[in-house]
Amino acid sequence: QVQLQESGPGLVKPSETLSLTCAVSGFSISSNYYWGWIRQPPGKGLEWIGSFFHGRGTYYNPSLKSRVTILQDTSKNQLSLKLSSVTAADTAVYYCVALNFYVVFWGQGTPVTASS
Amino acid sequence: QSALTQPRSVSGSPGQSVTISCSGTSSDVGGYDYVSWYQQHPDKAPRVMIYDVTKRPSGVPDRFSGSRSGSTASLTISGLKAEDEADYYCSSYADSYTWVFGGGTKLTVL
Repeated sequence: QVQLQESGPGLVKPSETLSLTCAVSGFSISSNYYWGWIRQPPGKGLEWIGSFFHGRGTYYNPSLKSRVTILQDTSKNQLSLKLSSVTAADTAVYYCVALNFYVVFWGQGTPVTASS
Repeated sequence: QSALTQPRSVSGSPGQSVTISCSGTSSDVGGYDYVSWYQQHPDKAPRVMIYDVTKRPSGVPDRFSGSRSGSTASLTISGLKAEDEADYYCSSYADSYTWVFGGGTKLTVL
């Protein structure tokens, strides 16, 4: 059974950097899927943030590309998300996901609020 | 990269059929056979209902079906049940190893 568990601060100050980690169990992030992040602002729709396929590349939503970094740690079977210069518009539930051209596995999601 | 276009809401009575549309471009919906649909109940993570335009994962009732014409995909739910009331999102793989979502459609079962 594949499990994705997000963790990180639930509150980030405006202009600072949002940092989240996703621990993956039951499947290696080095194989078969694109791994990445999707977010959902309160009462709004889903937005793909970015994904990587191990050994190929990391790809980002063009609208967020200048502020986003997604890293993979194969030794811990984890991925991380960093989003810089956050504003209130970055307040959302952030989901860690595994994709095979569609989202195969979802984490439970972690809410993050950007507020002073 | 622009969001795919979905109606904000649809409704139907139990037993009826409803169709939700999802309009994109030749760079996403019309260009790849990778359209997927997700059901989301309040405060829950989304669940895939259709992938690769027409395929249903195991466990999804055959009342749910997907199709596509040109750059517009559709999700049809037949034999509506109260439990189908939820938000539905379409998504497509797009150019340059990216993904795009629709704005979501709220389905109300009357």
